Amino acid sequence: QVQLVESGGGVVQPGRSLRLSCAASGFTLSTDAMHWVRQAPGKGLEWMAVILYDGNNKYSGDSVKGRFTISRDTSKNTLYLQINSLRSEDTAVYYCARDTTMDVWGQGTTVTVSS
Amino acid sequence: QSALTQPASVSGSPGQSITISCTGTSSDVGGYNYVSWYQQHPGKAPKLIIYDVSNRPSGVPYRFSGSRSGNTASLTVSGLQAEDEADYYCSSYTSSSTYVFGTGTKVTVL
Repeated sequence: QVQLVESGGGVVQPGRSLRLSCAASGFTLSTDAMHWVRQAPGKGLEWMAVILYDGNNKYSGDSVKGRFTISRDTSKNTLYLQINSLRSEDTAVYYCARDTTMDVWGQGTTVTVSS
Repeated sequence: QSALTQPASVSGSPGQSITISCTGTSSDVGGYNYVSWYQQHPGKAPKLIIYDVSNRPSGVPYRFSGSRSGNTASLTVSGLQAEDEADYYCSSYTSSSTYVFGTGTKVTVL
C-alpha cells in the first residue's frame, strides 16, 4: 500500500531552522517525482518544490527560493524539506505528495512559528 | 508565478451539476496537458480527482469530469451529492518546470 508519513513539525521560534521528513512506503522515491506543498491556516494550497525521480533535478517556487531546500535519501526512502530562517508566515501544514500528478498525499505535519 | 484564478465559491442543490473554472495563461494551463484537480475536506489532506486535464484516477466517481478550453480548465460535478461539499483546487505544470495551484473554490451543497 502506497503511503506517505510526514514528521518534524512543531512550534519553532522565528529565525530558527527545521527539517521536515516524509517517509514513503509501498514505492521507491527513485521512481517518482516528489513535491512539498503547504497550507497556511484558513488559506489555499501553495506549491513549494519538486524533486524529480533522478534526484538531480529540483525546482521551487519563487516564494521559497533561498530558504527552503528539498532533498531525499533513497536508502531511507525519505524525502526532506530544510527550512531556514523561519518566519511567522511559514506557519502552515506541510504536505508531501507523490508523482507529477500528486496522486498520493501524506496527512501533513504542522509547523507553527512563534516566539 | 501567480496563482491560477478560481471562483471563491460555487453552490448547487443535490442532483444538479456545477462547474468550477480555473484560469491561467499559455505558460501553464493553456500550454501543457498537466492540469489536475484536488478535493479537500476540512482537516483532511487533498485528494486527486482529475489529472492530465480530463483523466480520472481509479476509484473517483464518474460524476467528476475535467476539460479545458484555451487557458481555462474546468471541473464539472454532475449529480451533486452531499459528500461533494468541500474545497476544490486546480493545479498546473508551468513553463518554468514548476507547478502552481489555483486559488481554491468552496463548493456548497444546498
